[in-house]
Amino acid sequence: NAGVMQNPRHLVRRRGQEARLRCSPMKGHSHVYWYRQLPEEGLKFMVYLQKENIIDESGMPKERFSAEFPKEGPSILRIQQVVRGDSAAYFCASSPRDKNTEAFFGQGTRLTVV
Amino acid sequence: AQRVTQPEKLLSVFKGAPVELKCNYSYSGSPELFWYVQYSRQRLQLLLRHISRESIKGFTADLNKGETSFHLKKPFAQEEDSAMYYCALRGETSGSRLTFGEGTQLTVNP
Repeated sequence: NAGVMQNPRHLVRRRGQEARLRCSPMKGHSHVYWYRQLPEEGLKFMVYLQKENIIDESGMPKERFSAEFPKEGPSILRIQQVVRGDSAAYFCASSPRDKNTEAFFGQGTRLTVV
Repeated sequence: AQRVTQPEKLLSVFKGAPVELKCNYSYSGSPELFWYVQYSRQRLQLLLRHISRESIKGFTADLNKGETSFHLKKPFAQEEDSAMYYCALRGETSGSRLTFGEGTQLTVNP
């Protein structure tokens, strides 16, 4: 089992461009969580998804950010019209079910907006 | 609302010395508490969880509900313990969603 795979590891975007971050959960895991880590801060929850459903998006900024976890393929975190403040490390975690299970983390995508 | 506080951003000790990384939390119900560790250039990984009551790599942590703390301790630090440590909380109704503290960078000097 290769673990949670995130790509790209590093992404550079100019202001106004779109950023797409991908997360392939561990085999057999149907729950995905996205976290953001701004410089000098801890990880902050963004969104929790199951296959084809958004369960909790209470941590997502109201505009420009969206997430999906389709029936086939990886989960995608999409940031439209990026701004400098979006520069951060974005981590994905997956678990086999929701309660009482360990979430396994990917290595993160470091987004830099120039 | 749930909140996790790690008061020390940086902690430096010498090899063989005891180490304690502090974690305090606020939560109105019965939380689950975790410690995660991130070694240089590696992914975040679970170190221990309070319900397991186990010792991993010599580390232990006891949940103190009276003081709302979950401090991580090791009696004799090793150089390979140098890493970033995050305390995290999972609430009763939040699935596997975690609330993290801001982390403590531990450096163990030779």
